[in-house]
Amino acid sequence: EAGVTQSPTHLIKTRGQQATLRCSPISGHTSVYWYQQALGLGLQFLLWYDEGEERNRGNFPPRFSGRQFPNYSSELNVNALELEDSALYLCASTSYTGELFFGEGSRLTVL
Amino acid sequence: GENVEQHPSTLSVQEGDSAVIKCTYSDSASNYFPWYKQELGKGPQLIIDIRSNVGEKKDQRIAVTLNKTAKHFSLHITETQPEDSAVYFCAASIEGIKAAGNKLTFGGGTRVLVKP
Repeated sequence: EAGVTQSPTHLIKTRGQQATLRCSPISGHTSVYWYQQALGLGLQFLLWYDEGEERNRGNFPPRFSGRQFPNYSSELNVNALELEDSALYLCASTSYTGELFFGEGSRLTVL
Repeated sequence: GENVEQHPSTLSVQEGDSAVIKCTYSDSASNYFPWYKQELGKGPQLIIDIRSNVGEKKDQRIAVTLNKTAKHFSLHITETQPEDSAVYFCAASIEGIKAAGNKLTFGGGTRVLVKP
C-alpha cells in the first residue's frame, strides 16, 4: 500500500513569489494535515482538511492557504514568500485511528 | 490550546545505555500520546503510542509511561544502538472527537546521538 506522497521534493523560490506543494494521502484516508518544520526541529501545525473542507488552521498568516480535492489529495499554497518560510513542509493523513502517517516532506527554500 | 514541552533537546548516550525523554502537556482533555522518530531527510514515523486509559506500554526495546495526574509522559529506549540515532518527537491530541480531528501538538524534539 502506498504511503503519503508529497511533491515536489525540493522547491527553490525567491522572495515575493508563490509556492504550491502537493500531497496525496493514503488510500481511504479523508483527513489531511499540513505541518511546517523549520530548522530541523519543531513541527508547527498549519492546516487540517477533512472531506474537502478546512477544519482548523494554526497560527500562520493568511498567505498560507490550501485546499482539498474530491479525491482527498491536498494542495498547500504560500503566497508572497518570505525568507522565513524556508522549511520542510510535511503532510500527514489519518483514518481517525489516532496515528498520523507522514510523507517525506517538501523542502522549500526561499532566496 | 494544547502545549507540549519536551526535554532534553539533545541527548548523547553510549551504545548499550538507556535513553529517557520526558514530555509534559497542558490540556487535561488530551488522551492520545504518540512518539515519532525522524531520521535525517525523512518524515516522522510513529514508533509507539499510548492512550490515557493505560499507564505503560512496551514494544521490544522501547517503552512509554504516562502519568495523567501530573500530565507527563516519557519514552524509554533500552540497550541503545547506533540506528537509534535520530530526532524524537512526543505529541498529544484528543482522539475520538471528530471536531478535534487528530491534530497533534508536538514537543520541540530531542536529538539523540548514540555513540558506538
